[in-house]
Amino acid sequence: DAGVTQSPTHLIKTRGQQVTLRCSPKSGHDTVSWYQQALGQGPQFIFQYYEEEERQRGNFPDRFSGHQFPNYSSELNVNALLLGDSALYLCASSLSPSGAETQYFGPGTRLLVL
Amino acid sequence: AQSVTQLDSQVPVFEEAPVELRCNYSSSVSVYLFWYVQYPNQGLQLLLKYLSGSTLVKGINGFEAEFNKSQTSFHLRKPSVHISDTAEYFCAVSDKGNTPLVFGKGTRLSVIA
Repeated sequence: DAGVTQSPTHLIKTRGQQVTLRCSPKSGHDTVSWYQQALGQGPQFIFQYYEEEERQRGNFPDRFSGHQFPNYSSELNVNALLLGDSALYLCASSLSPSGAETQYFGPGTRLLVL
Repeated sequence: AQSVTQLDSQVPVFEEAPVELRCNYSSSVSVYLFWYVQYPNQGLQLLLKYLSGSTLVKGINGFEAEFNKSQTSFHLRKPSVHISDTAEYFCAVSDKGNTPLVFGKGTRLSVIA
């Protein structure tokens, strides 16, 4: 059983560009959450998708947007990239949006903005 | 809003010695508590979680944690560490209900041979 997969693994962009990161959840999971992990910090919640809708959002600007597809896979889009957007972006999937459910994390996409 | 404090950013410990990684959270409302481990260049893996019931929770790889509601703490312990336990450890909390996970800044455990 494949776990959570993310692509690409690494990405280099320049300021002002746009980026799309992709996530495939663990089999049977219908909820996807995205996190940003800056160097030396813990993950910070960006948003959560369930039933193809954004259900919850953390304290991130509108430059961060997402989408969930009918097969439960998800994309994270970041527009007008800033140097401060350089981070590891983690996708996590779970069986439901309940806070009691274990979130299973992918290996992440490391984004470098120059 | 919830916040999580991991009191030690780095913990060096000799192999086969016991270790405790400390975690405190801000709110005393009903919470779910989690410990995750992150090995270099990998995502996070769940070690254990507390949802309700017994305050002593056992997890994978010989780790356990104790929920203390009065002290709003959820410290992680292992009686004898191995070199392979060298990693970053994150404590996380969510309020009961569908609230997102809030993570601490992490504790880097370094096991010395």
